[in-house]
Amino acid sequence: DVKVTQSSRYLVKRTGEKVFLECVQDMDHENMFWYRQDPGLGLRLIYFSYDVKMKEKGDIPEGYSVSREKKERFSLILESASTNQTSMYLCASSYPPPTGELFFGEGSRLTVL
Amino acid sequence: GENVEQHPSTLSVQEGDSAVIKCTYSDSASNYFPWYKQELGKRPQLIIDIRSNVGEKKDQRIAVTLNKTAKHFSLHITETQPEDSAVYFCAASIQRNQGGKLIFGQGTELSVKP
Repeated sequence: DVKVTQSSRYLVKRTGEKVFLECVQDMDHENMFWYRQDPGLGLRLIYFSYDVKMKEKGDIPEGYSVSREKKERFSLILESASTNQTSMYLCASSYPPPTGELFFGEGSRLTVL
Repeated sequence: GENVEQHPSTLSVQEGDSAVIKCTYSDSASNYFPWYKQELGKRPQLIIDIRSNVGEKKDQRIAVTLNKTAKHFSLHITETQPEDSAVYFCAASIQRNQGGKLIFGQGTELSVKP
């Protein structure tokens, strides 16, 4: 079974704090993604990565950065958390095409006070 | 960039009825269209997908149709059951050698009443 593990299920942070969300996958997937899920807005892509040390911006990268030092680990960083970053964050991984199926982690619910 | 619109946002049907969810996409180069189901409190999971060289695909009670000319695709669920209640997301991507970013629709909350 593919396993995508997110380090924290629930986090509460203060405005201005630096926040790290960690994601690890055990299937040797090349591709990894960070999405943000908000009611009525669906899943919005923040950043993705095709390979180690490689990253590309998604649709809403502002206020976020990422790090991929090892193939199995993809980290999302909020340099200075703001209240509008309160959300559910979902990590996913996949093989390259033609397979393409995304395997999601359980999500990290972040509240910024 | 790619934009995916999904309708309706909520859908309520009686058990045994059919349900249809529709999506439109903006980038004509999109060539891969998956559908994900997210049950309450769980992670999204792929239920069916279709590639641009195919017009229709079926898997038991679910089917997906694709109209490339009109740039829309639909999910059809027949003989709905209470366990079909969930949020469904459509998505579109341009699959290249290294992968493609998957852009999701806004989601449809399907409720199947016994």
